[in-house]
Amino acid sequence: GENVEQHPSTLSVQEGDSAVIKCTYSDSASNYFPWYKQELGKGPQLIIDIRSNVGEKKDQRIAVTLNKTAKHFSLHITETQPEDSAVYFCAGGNFNKFYFGSGTKLNVKP
Amino acid sequence: EAGVVQSPRYKIIEKKQPVAFWCNPISGHNTLYWYLQNLGQGPELLIRYENEEAVDDSQLPKDRFSAERLKGVDSTLKIQPAELGDSAVYLCASSLVRNTEAFFGQGTRLTVV
Repeated sequence: GENVEQHPSTLSVQEGDSAVIKCTYSDSASNYFPWYKQELGKGPQLIIDIRSNVGEKKDQRIAVTLNKTAKHFSLHITETQPEDSAVYFCAGGNFNKFYFGSGTKLNVKP
Repeated sequence: EAGVVQSPRYKIIEKKQPVAFWCNPISGHNTLYWYLQNLGQGPELLIRYENEEAVDDSQLPKDRFSAERLKGVDSTLKIQPAELGDSAVYLCASSLVRNTEAFFGQGTRLTVV
């Protein structure tokens, strides 16, 4: 099956700075890459996703990039706010079955 | 619109005891997933249903885990007997049909002592 690795495991930034989380995947057949945000005591919530026929996607302060050749994809959050503090998971696979990375705990300091 | 509802939120049991988790998906969602999330890890898929049919149960440990989705709506995940290593959060998710966004419930945190 697919193997998704995620870095860093923790990330601390100052409010207003940018945050970048990086993931790699192993299966070249993977075509769907969602990103989830999980707050304490809650289930994961989809924040953005990208498919393999697209290299970049933006939604307000959030952007994802995908490099199929290198098999890596990244999440970029600009102008971070304290409410962005949470655990972020990348995932890769196909739409019906994707594999999660181990998560990045983002702390945005006011 | 109500989200995915799971119960109980928390469960503490002794090892070797049985336990069951219940999930009510978003109304009209045909696809239902059960995930296992260990502490500090990402969720791992256990089983996926399309209506009442389990279409992917390849990662469900069938010696002690079972699941059912009667009438293609609510679902129950059971563990019998529970082991210490089963302590984790069990997440349920649903999506309208295949290839659409999955929405997660809050999960059931199981502690086996």
